[in-house]
Formats: sequence, structure tokens, C-alpha cells
Amino acid sequence: AQSVTQLDSQVPVFEEAPVELRCNYSSSVSVYLFWYVQYPNQGLQLLLKYLSGSTLVKGINGFEAEFNKSQTSFHLRKPSVHISDTAEYFCAVTVNDAGNMLTFGGGTRLMVKP
Amino acid sequence: GAGVSQSPSNKVTEKGKDVELRCDPISGHTALYWYRQSLGQGLEFLIYFQGNSAPDKSGLPSDRFSAERTGGSVSTLTIQRTQQEDSAVYLCASSLNGMSTDTQYFGPGTRLTVL
Repeated sequence: AQSVTQLDSQVPVFEEAPVELRCNYSSSVSVYLFWYVQYPNQGLQLLLKYLSGSTLVKGINGFEAEFNKSQTSFHLRKPSVHISDTAEYFCAVTVNDAGNMLTFGGGTRLMVKP
Repeated sequence: GAGVSQSPSNKVTEKGKDVELRCDPISGHTALYWYRQSLGQGLEFLIYFQGNSAPDKSGLPSDRFSAERTGGSVSTLTIQRTQQEDSAVYLCASSLNGMSTDTQYFGPGTRLTVL
């Protein structure tokens, strides 16, 4: 079975500062990796996904993530955050041979302060 | 175009009552998923439909939970004899082909409160 760990439950950061949200996964087979964002009282919205190819993936709203197979990580980064980035961020995986449901990490609440 | 819609947005019920939650996926999407989001358990997979059939029901927490999908479109999640631990936000998602590489598009959720 696969699992996803988001090491930080909350990340406070000042506006215009850089941020990294950490995600590690565990799986015995190849995975596909996703980052979703959830704004208050809304559903989840895809930020970006890694399927294959270049390990650096760019997404919406200036976010990017890097897949590191040796460290089984898929950390999310943004060079300069805005107040509007305040939200919950979820890392998730699917596997190719065991159905296609998303397995989510516990989430990281990003709190951007002025 | 229209996204995934869910109804009701909020549902308050008494312990022991049955509830039905509805999901309208994006038109043309063959795959539909139900997840549950709760404080204690995070985001959990419940059930997946490909067309009208459910090849994976592994996430349903008990036999009080059931789901169906008709016409390859609308899905209903039914919880019988609700318990307080069923209180959560129930999220529905759809994807074009149900492949592991597909993006799943989520609805706004139904917040269920069992008193």
C-alpha cells in the first residue's frame, strides 16, 4: 500500500517570502504525484501533477514542485507568497496498478501574514 | 463549463436517520469518486465508479454506507442509521477516463452534521 506524509501541519510565512511545503511518499510501485489546494469552504483544486519526464513541474499561481525519486519526495515551492495563498495544501498519489483513487497526505495549512 | 456540483451543501440530521448525498459530475466524465474529509481521519477514499459500476468499494467504512450511479452521470451516496462519527465533509470528484494519470475535479462538498 502507498502512503503520503506531509511533515508540517502548519506553515506560517510573511507575505512576499519564499515557502516550501514538504511531502514524502512511500510505495512499492511507481506513483503519480499531485498537489491540490483547498481554500476555505471550497473543494480541492489541482495545483500541479507529476506523471513522468522532467522532475521539475510548474503549476498554477506560480507554484512548482520537484520530484526526487531517491528521496521519495515531492516538495512544493513558491518564491514569493501572497495573502491570497492562505489555504490548505494536500499532497496526493495514485498508483498505476492498484486502482486510481487518490491517497492524500494529512495536509499543510499555509498561513501568509502581512 | 460547469464543474462538479454537490447537494445539499449542508445537512444536519439526527442520529439514526438516513441521509442521501448527491453528486453531479462534469459532463462526459466516465469516472466518479467519493471521498470523506474529517478532522480525525483527513481525506479518505470511499468508493469509485467507472460508468455505472463500482469496481472499488474498498473505502466504504461500514455496511451502512452505499452508493449508486445511474445513467453514467449522477451519483448518490446513502448513509443509513447515521452515527455521530459520520459527521464530516463528503467530497465528490470526477475524471475523464478514470486513469491514474487523470486529474480529478472536485465538487465543493456536503458538510454532514449528525447530532
